[in-house]
Order: sequence, then C-alpha cells, then structure tokens
Amino acid sequence: DAKTTQPPSMDCAEGRAANLPCNHSTISGNEYVYWYRQIHSQGPQYIIHGLKNNETNEMASLIITEDRKSSTLILPHATLRDTAVYYCIVRVGNYGQNFVFGPGTRLSVLP
Amino acid sequence: DAGVIQSPRHEVTEMGQEVTLRCKPISGHNSLFWYRQTMMRGLELLIYFNNNVPIDDSGMPEDRFSAKMPNASFSTLKIQPSEPRDSAVYFCASSSPSSTEAFFGQGTRLTVV
Repeated sequence: DAKTTQPPSMDCAEGRAANLPCNHSTISGNEYVYWYRQIHSQGPQYIIHGLKNNETNEMASLIITEDRKSSTLILPHATLRDTAVYYCIVRVGNYGQNFVFGPGTRLSVLP
Repeated sequence: DAGVIQSPRHEVTEMGQEVTLRCKPISGHNSLFWYRQTMMRGLELLIYFNNNVPIDDSGMPEDRFSAKMPNASFSTLKIQPSEPRDSAVYFCASSSPSSTEAFFGQGTRLTVV
C-alpha cells in the first residue's frame, strides 16, 4: 500500500508556481521522498528525491518539513507541458527496492 | 543512452493467445521492474529483479503470468493464456546501484479481445 496521501487534483495558472503537497506521516528514518510525474500515455518520469534537506534541480524544488511528515513539490514557473499526474512515493533509499505508486495528484496547468 | 526500451509499443491479441512483452534496461542497471497500469487500479508492481534474480513476484496476478531475466540486458513478461482483463499498459523500469531513482520505458499497450 502507498504510504502517502495527495490531493486528487489541482489547477495552476501558466507561469505561476505550482505547489503540490504530500503527507507521509508514517515515514521511517531511512525512507526517502521521491517525486515522479506521468504525462498522458508516457512512462513515469523521475523528478526529484530527498531525505530531510530541501533539494533543488533543474526541474523542481522539494521542501520537506522538519518532522518529515509532509513535503511539497514546487514547480517554479509552470507551463502547459507540466500538466500531468504527479506521484509522491516514500521508499528506502537503497537500490533495488521497489516503488509503490498511489493515485497521485492530477495537475492541470491552465493558460 | 536510449533509455529503457520496450517492445512492442502496441499489441492486440485474441483471448487465449500467448503474449510476450520485452524490455531492454539501461546498460549498467542492476534492477529491473515490471509494472501494469489500468484506469481502475493505477500503477501496480508485478515483479522486480536484482542482478537478474527475481526478488519479489507477489504482484504477479496468477500463474498465467511469468517473467524472466536471462541476462542483464533483457527481460520478458509472458502471459499465457491471455484474457481480456489483462488489457493494460505494461511498463518496464530499471535502476542502478549508483543512483536510486528508476527510469521507465514508454510502455506496451496490450489489448486482448
């Protein structure tokens, strides 16, 4: 079973920041938070992951609360191409461990 | 690198026929995952391999499904006999010891009529 809770859908205006929340209140000390997205008909695409520090890459920023029970994925300037289903996953950070996907958040970026 | 390569991209078959889906992971990756996606159940893990050895096949629906990884560069998922309820998109993913994220292929859309 997925260990995360996400809103089923969100809207965001093009050019604005998209902030996608995720609750993971039962996260263990050795579990990382991963974010993936799936654009229609394509395979899931890795976005970012983190343990307890905030992370940033060319795609997004990940903000993890101090108690690690929740996190927020931030797309700083959303475009129409960011319309997708976004999945938040908690997982032990060892290679070879599987990823359990929940229903995710369907983000619609509106013109 | 071309990424994870799956074939065929689309497959239409008749109920009762054998179906084989193929996956070529990214070179150097040691873990391989097979997922199935439907509207009703979302993305479900079927099986995953580490170093060509099946680690967890608890997601395989029933004996009609089987998966093999004869070497580090190739895996198959076979359904025999196929049924209409097997219609779904099947994804393969791989990951390496040096990075913990998994990379997905473009999927195979299977339709069983």
